[in-house]
Amino acid sequence: AQKVTQAQTEISVVEKEDVTLDCVYETRDTTYYLFWYKQPPSGELVFLIRRNSFDEQNEISGRYSWNFQKSTSSFNFTITASQVVDSAVYFCALSTGANSKLTFGKGITLSVRP
Amino acid sequence: DAGVTQSPTHLIKTRGQQVTLRCSPKSGHDTVSWYQQALGQGPQFIFQYYEEEERQRGNFPDRFSGHQFPNYSSELNVNALLLGDSALYLCASSLEGAGGLYGETQYFGPGTRLLVL
Repeated sequence: AQKVTQAQTEISVVEKEDVTLDCVYETRDTTYYLFWYKQPPSGELVFLIRRNSFDEQNEISGRYSWNFQKSTSSFNFTITASQVVDSAVYFCALSTGANSKLTFGKGITLSVRP
Repeated sequence: DAGVTQSPTHLIKTRGQQVTLRCSPKSGHDTVSWYQQALGQGPQFIFQYYEEEERQRGNFPDRFSGHQFPNYSSELNVNALLLGDSALYLCASSLEGAGGLYGETQYFGPGTRLLVL
């Protein structure tokens, strides 16, 4: 069975602070895919990143960075110098097939105050 | 490049009624997946359609059924609506065998908010 745990439920920061969103996953499969999606108040899930289990390279994209560690089954997401527009619910998700169902965590509500 | 579209955006039904939700995939995509998102929860997988067949199914009763058309668009049907079916229904599309770093990533539409009274 697959499981994604996002232990943090709500995080509130002041603009320009750095913030890390935690994600822990469980799967018995050796090949799997990890994702982060952002859900603004409008409701649409916006794709942010996908990592394959065989590629543990961390990634940086502008103010966003991701830390994938198979040893601790974690795939954490850091926003550097947060902005008000980053306020949203962030979901971590897991798939054990390249084009297979996504198992989501419960999401983390991030509020960035000016 | 058109993204995933869904209709209607909002819907109000009463218990026992039936509802049909529609989804058009992103241009070039051939796979459609449906998810149910209850308030304050993460999306839950309902089923996935590929080549007009249901390929995967989550833990949802038979009241939930779907269809995929030759143009890859899809419908989600829910019969005998219950109060607990009130949720945001999300459609996602992807391309089978696309390869590459993000090849088969699922891209989501804006959703249909269903309220059952």
